Amino acid sequence: QSALTQPASVSGSPGQSITISCTGTRSDVGSYNFVSWYQQHPGKAPKLMIYDVSKRPSGVSNRFSGSKSGNTASLTISGLRAEDEADYYCCSYVGGGGVFGGGTKLTVL
Amino acid sequence: QVQVVQSGAEVKKPGASVKVSCEASGYTFTDYYIHWVRQAPGQGLQWMGWINPNSGATNFAQKFQGRVTMTGDTSISTAFMELSRLTSDDTAVYYCARAVAGPKYLQHWGQGTVVIVSS
Repeated sequence: QSALTQPASVSGSPGQSITISCTGTRSDVGSYNFVSWYQQHPGKAPKLMIYDVSKRPSGVSNRFSGSKSGNTASLTISGLRAEDEADYYCCSYVGGGGVFGGGTKLTVL
Repeated sequence: QVQVVQSGAEVKKPGASVKVSCEASGYTFTDYYIHWVRQAPGQGLQWMGWINPNSGATNFAQKFQGRVTMTGDTSISTAFMELSRLTSDDTAVYYCARAVAGPKYLQHWGQGTVVIVSS
């Protein structure tokens, strides 16, 4: 299964909103709502931020939201903060296994 | 609270095998899937597979089939991942993670285990 496609990098200023896209195919993102997003700070383990396309685990800020249209899922972070600077990975669970996107580095200017 | 603690760093020679452990606490070990994910230096996350600790069932990414073994010891609430025939390309941080919603999402991650393959 091929990796999902994410932009290598995005940036935004504090207080702004940014969106990270995650493009798959009709066989994964397009057919199932088993999309999740993970945040990873340097040297740390990933953290689950979004699951089932748009649901937030307990404790995750409501500044993080997810959506999906066709074969593309998106993560939106509103009210950017310095601590949001990290790598973000999307993941699709399909066919009994997971496939990650290549990751997007978010820089808060 | 849920905790997942992994074994320490390993240095292996090409051709050898490595076995990484993942000790779970704070929940019933057999109730949740455990996944393994790796990250090569400067690279992204790569899903390796999962184990259902209750049944022992496993599912692996095609890339690792035939070379990876995932097991669980319910008596000590610990999952294991063994990777054989190591090459330098297997140098990475290996993570285990407890899933939620069946096997679909990785919510509780271990701290990662560095595996270096070098002659």
